[in-house]
Amino acid sequence: AQKVTQAQTEISVVEKEDVTLDCVYETRDTTYYLFWYKQPPSGELVFLIRRNSFDEQNEISGRYSWNFQKSTSSFNFTITASQVVDSAVYFCALSEANQAGTALIFGKGTTLSVSS
Amino acid sequence: DAGITQSPRHKVTETGTPVTLRCHQTENHRYMYWYRQDPGHGLRLIHYSYGVKDTDKGEVSDGYSVSRSKTEDFLLTLESATSSQTSVYFCAIRAGLASTDTQYFGPGTRLTVL
Repeated sequence: AQKVTQAQTEISVVEKEDVTLDCVYETRDTTYYLFWYKQPPSGELVFLIRRNSFDEQNEISGRYSWNFQKSTSSFNFTITASQVVDSAVYFCALSEANQAGTALIFGKGTTLSVSS
Repeated sequence: DAGITQSPRHKVTETGTPVTLRCHQTENHRYMYWYRQDPGHGLRLIHYSYGVKDTDKGEVSDGYSVSRSKTEDFLLTLESATSSQTSVYFCAIRAGLASTDTQYFGPGTRLTVL
């Protein structure tokens, strides 16, 4: 069965610190995609990244970077030089290719608090 | 912005009353979803639709029904609301036909059942 685990419930850092949010997934499918979403205090869900199971290259977008390792079934998210605006709940999610109409399987989220 | 709106954005109702939440999209996406978000559970799928009048159940569908009579609208109905249905409800669209295409979410509806 598919599952996404975000073991860190809450993380608190001070501005300019680097922070890594962990995501571990389980799936029997060989073709799948992984996602990260951000939910700021205003409540909306903002798409950050989508990654397929055949592409293990790290991805960097500004201060954000993602490390995908199939060997450990992990898709971790690092924020470099964190800012107060990064304070949010971050969700990792999984989607499998072999299920038509499939939902996203979400982790329970990690709440990141960045203080100034 | 995927052109998704939800109405109402906030609602307080009493146990036993029917409630309908509306999701509206402007970009003609085939797949639409209803999720609920609860503390400690992340987001969980209630129902989804893969076309007009085509719907299927998700993980937590008990107590909910849906309808899709037009491509742009996906309605979620609580026939007789219970306190356990107090939650934040998100509608989503899938931006393509592949099951792994990105889902984009509406702004959410906060429902309180007293």
